[in-house]
Amino acid sequence: DVKVTQSSRYLVKRTGEKVFLECVQDMDHENMFWYRQDPGLGLRLIYFSYDVKMKEKGDIPEGYSVSREKKERFSLILESASTNQTSMYLCASSLRTRAGGYTFGSGTRLTVV
Amino acid sequence: KNEVEQSPQNLTAQEGEFITINCSYSVGISALHWLQQHPGGGIVSLFMLSSGKKKHGRLIATINIQEKHSSLHITASHPRDSAVYICAGSNTGNQFYFGTGTSLTVIP
Repeated sequence: DVKVTQSSRYLVKRTGEKVFLECVQDMDHENMFWYRQDPGLGLRLIYFSYDVKMKEKGDIPEGYSVSREKKERFSLILESASTNQTSMYLCASSLRTRAGGYTFGSGTRLTVV
Repeated sequence: KNEVEQSPQNLTAQEGEFITINCSYSVGISALHWLQQHPGGGIVSLFMLSSGKKKHGRLIATINIQEKHSSLHITASHPRDSAVYICAGSNTGNQFYFGTGTSLTVIP
C-alpha cells in the first residue's frame, strides 16, 4: 500500500525553537509538497520540490525552509518557531505527470507555545 | 476571492439522506479533485476528473467544464461519511487551488 508518512502526529514546541517536520514517501514520486491548513483558509502551499535538491517557494514560504536531499524525503524546517505557525501541516506527493493525483500524509498538528 | 469556492461550508444530514456538495472554480484547470479529511486525520483522494462523471461506491462526482462547476454526491449517507470534503483544481503546471472545505456531519 502506497504511503506518505509524516514523522509526528502531534508536536508542541516553544517559541524560538528550530523545528523539523519530516515527510517520507515510498512511491518513487518526483513531486513533494508542504501545506499548512488553517480554519477558514483551507490548504496553503508553503514549498514544493520537483526533484532531489530542487525547491520552489509556494504561496506562504516566509518563516520556513525545506530540504530534499533524497527523493523519498522532504523536510520542512521552521527556523525560529512562532505562535502564528501553530497549524496543521500536511505533506503530499505526486508523480511528475500527476497521472495518479496527489497522495497526502496524515498530517502533523504543531502547537507553538 | 478564492479561485475555488465550495458550498455549503457546513452540512448536517440524517442517515440515509442524499447529499450534494458544490464546487465552482474561476481559474483554468486541467483536473478537478475531491478529497476527504476525517477529524484529526490526513487527506484521502476520492476522485480526480477532467470531464463527465465518476462513481465509486455511494460517491459520485460530476464536472461541467463549460460552467466551471463540479458536484460531489453521496447516496444513502452514513455516519461514517462524516468528514471534511475538499474540492481542488490543478493545472498542468502542478499548481493546486484548494477550496476551504465542506464539513459534513451525518446523524444516525
